[in-house]
Amino acid sequence: DTAVSQTPKYLVTQMGNDKSIKCEQNLGHDTMYWYKQDSKKFLKIMFSYNNKELIINETVPNRFSPKSPDKAHLNLHINSLELGDSAVYFCASSQINNEQYFGPGTRLTVT
Amino acid sequence: GENVEQHPSTLSVQEGDSAVIKCTYSDSASNYFPWYKQELGKRPQLIIDIRSNVGEKKDQRIAVTLNKTAKHFSLHITETQPEDSAVYFCAAKVSGSARQLTFGSGTQLTVLP
Repeated sequence: DTAVSQTPKYLVTQMGNDKSIKCEQNLGHDTMYWYKQDSKKFLKIMFSYNNKELIINETVPNRFSPKSPDKAHLNLHINSLELGDSAVYFCASSQINNEQYFGPGTRLTVT
Repeated sequence: GENVEQHPSTLSVQEGDSAVIKCTYSDSASNYFPWYKQELGKRPQLIIDIRSNVGEKKDQRIAVTLNKTAKHFSLHITETQPEDSAVYFCAAKVSGSARQLTFGSGTQLTVLP
């Protein structure tokens, strides 16, 4: 009964490729998020999304795009991958006033 | 936008001692302040949170204090144990809005046996 799940757990790919990371939550939450955690452990918000509003962190390159087929899913698409995209990506979800639950993370390595 | 600063970046304590991590925030509209613990290779997990209508909250060995006037909040861990070793993140948000949770830069806590 995993609350927030992500696939894949590990992703190794070459520069220039396009890849996707999937996220699903079964908590009935109304808001989902994507975070990037770099090697220094800093958690940077990339997107937050509910059925009314997509908020994009202005520092996120437009090679990154969230796609939400329904309320329980928020996938992350990355085009033209670069070395600097290597990081751990966390999906999270919450009800708007309450705690965020994080997924297990996807470790992306771009070679 | 909101800016959250967290100190120290690393903290080592002897088992049984107390640990204190401090954060400041910039947006006076922020009213929700959670703390997350991230063990090595795992996901961040909420350990305690506080809303701006209270000044202190305790849960067993952990407590959080909030000073709205000074715009700072702190995490206190008493009687530390080796399993408390992790990275701790503070965060701030305007509750009830779609605005994003802003995290501090993290504190690596090491509890020495």
